[in-house]
Amino acid sequence: AQKVTQAQTEISVVEKEDVTLDCVYETRDTTYYLFWYKQPPSGELVFLIRRNSFDEQNEISGRYSWNFQKSTSSFNFTITASQVVDSAVYFCALSDSGGYQKVTFGTGTKLQVIP
Amino acid sequence: EPEVTQTPSHQVTQMGQEVILRCVPISNHLYFYWYRQILGQKVEFLVSFYNNEISEKSEIFDDQFSVERPDGSNFTLKIRSTKLEDSAMYFCASSELPGTSNTGELFFGEGSRLTVL
Repeated sequence: AQKVTQAQTEISVVEKEDVTLDCVYETRDTTYYLFWYKQPPSGELVFLIRRNSFDEQNEISGRYSWNFQKSTSSFNFTITASQVVDSAVYFCALSDSGGYQKVTFGTGTKLQVIP
Repeated sequence: EPEVTQTPSHQVTQMGQEVILRCVPISNHLYFYWYRQILGQKVEFLVSFYNNEISEKSEIFDDQFSVERPDGSNFTLKIRSTKLEDSAMYFCASSELPGTSNTGELFFGEGSRLTVL
């Protein structure tokens, strides 16, 4: 069975601080996909990134960066120089080797960026 | 930019009533999904649909639920006799066929909020 754990329920930071959102996953598959989604107060789910299990390169996209470590089954997400618009719930998610079937979401981390 | 559209955005219904939530997936996508998010909780997989049949479903997706692609564009979720615990945000999603050149992204709609009284 697949499982995604986001131990941080809520995080508050002051604007311009860096913040890291933790994600730990469990799967028996050797090929799998990891995702991060953002859910702003308006409620929609916004795709941020997808990584496959064979690609452990860290990725940077603007102020966002992701650290994938297979050895610790973690896929952490860092926002550099946080902004108020980053306030949202962030979900880490995992899907099986098909990559297009069932996606298992974590419970989410609510990030509040205080001006 | 192509998007998944869902209607209605909010529906209020009485317990025991039938509800149909509608979705228009992105036109060249072939995989369709429904997910559910009870208020304040995580997003949960309900069902995936491909080639006019269910490819996988969760334990939540019991006999009260059904999905259909009645025409070439719509994808519907029907709840036959709603219960209080069906109150949630329901997200439709679609994705391209595996193996195509894409980011592997599930494109989600903006959700349909169902309130069962």
